[in-house]
Amino acid sequence: GQNIDQPTEMTATEGAIVQINCTYQTSGFNGLFWYQQHAGEAPTFLSYNVLDGLEEKGRFSSFLSRSKGYSYLLLKELQMKDSASYLCAAASGGSYIPTFGRGTSLIVHP
Amino acid sequence: DGGITQSPKYLFRKEGQNVTLSCEQNLNHDAMYWYRQDPGQGLRLIYYSQIVNDFQKGDIAEGYSVSREKKESFPLTVTSAQKNPTAFYLCASRDSSTDTQYFGPGTRLTVL
Repeated sequence: GQNIDQPTEMTATEGAIVQINCTYQTSGFNGLFWYQQHAGEAPTFLSYNVLDGLEEKGRFSSFLSRSKGYSYLLLKELQMKDSASYLCAAASGGSYIPTFGRGTSLIVHP
Repeated sequence: DGGITQSPKYLFRKEGQNVTLSCEQNLNHDAMYWYRQDPGQGLRLIYYSQIVNDFQKGDIAEGYSVSREKKESFPLTVTSAQKNPTAFYLCASRDSSTDTQYFGPGTRLTVL
């Protein structure tokens, strides 16, 4: 089967840096997605890592280690609007259907 | 203005009634998906379709049905056989050039 683990909840201070970890166990792994989801809204795409290493996109960066089955999402210069759930999803198989984790609820406080 | 639309945003139904949720996309994506999201849970796959006139069951297909008669449309019917239908339903389509799924705004279904 497939298994995705990420912390349930994290809190951080405005302006700080936070790292959200995700571990996965899946056969036929293709790549790792990160999505942001505000309460009551649809998930929005943040990143997709296929190769090992760090990819940076503005304040957000995502890292992947295929050998360790591990990824993290790094958020810098946190803003209040970054309070949301962050979903980790591993894509596998020929159909590239991602398996989603339960999401990490990030609370940013002043 | 390309995107994925779902309607309605909120839907209320009485127990025992079938209800159909709409999903339309004008992104020219071949693959489309239906997920269900419950509080504290990840997205769970109900059905998916890789191409017109073809669809496959996901992890929790029981009590649901779909059709894919047009590339743009992938409606989901929640039947009376679904034991616990109250949930947030999300439709997505996949850009095959990047393998990325893009989601519609969702429909929150409440069965009374």
